Amino acid sequence: DIVMTQSPDSLAVSLGERATINCKSSQSVLYSSNNQNYLAWYQQKPGQPPKLLIYWASTRESGVPDRFTGSGSGTDFTLTISSLQAEDVAVYYCQQYYSTPQAFGGGTKVEIK
Amino acid sequence: EVQLVQSGAEVKKPGESLKISCTVSGYSFTSYWIAWVRQMPGKGLEWMGIIYPGDSDTRYSPSFQGQVTISVDKSLNTAYLQWGSLKASDTAMYYCARPRRVGTTVEGLDYWGQGTLVTVSS
Repeated sequence: DIVMTQSPDSLAVSLGERATINCKSSQSVLYSSNNQNYLAWYQQKPGQPPKLLIYWASTRESGVPDRFTGSGSGTDFTLTISSLQAEDVAVYYCQQYYSTPQAFGGGTKVEIK
Repeated sequence: EVQLVQSGAEVKKPGESLKISCTVSGYSFTSYWIAWVRQMPGKGLEWMGIIYPGDSDTRYSPSFQGQVTISVDKSLNTAYLQWGSLKASDTAMYYCARPRRVGTTVEGLDYWGQGTLVTVSS
C-alpha cells in the first residue's frame, strides 16, 4: 500500500504571505503510460466535508482561486497558497489515486499568524 | 445538480449493527464509483473503500476489510456502509464521495455527502 506523509502538521502564515504544504508518497504515483501524477489535494474547513482543490497534481478544480497551485512529480508534491486569505484557514490533505487503498496524507492545518 | 445525501446521525451501543446510507441524485448512479471515508474525532481522513454501482465491484482498504460492508441498491440510487458489530472505536464521521471522472476511480473526489456521525457508546 502507498503511504502518504504530509509536512508540516501545522503552519501559521501572515495574511498575504505564502503557505507551502508538502506531501510525500512512499512510492511513485506517476503513471508512465500517460505521464500523469495520480495525486489530489483537498481543503477541509471545520464542520464541512472536504473540497477538491487540485487533481493530476497540478490541475485546479473549476472555481478554485489561482492562488492555489499544485506542483511536484513522482513521490514529492507541494501545495502552495501564494497569498493567504482569511478564508483559506483550513486543514489540507493530499490523496493518491494511483492504487487502492487510495490513501490520504495526515493533513496540514493552516492558520493565520 | 449533483447531490449526495447521507442518512442522519446515529447513537449505538457496542455490539449493535448499523447500516448508513448515501442517496445520490443529479447524475447516473451506475456510472460513477462511490467511496466511503472515515474521519475520527479531531483526526484526518481515512479511505475505507469504493464501490462501482454498475456491477457492485468493491475494493476495501486492508484496514477496513472484514470490519465493514459496502453495498448499493441501484433501484434506490443509494450506497450503504454497514457494520455487523460496532465498537467504540467506530465512533466517527463517515462521508460518501464520488470520483470526478465517470467510470473510473481517478481525478479525486469532487462531490461529497454531508457526513453521518456515528457514536458508539455504552
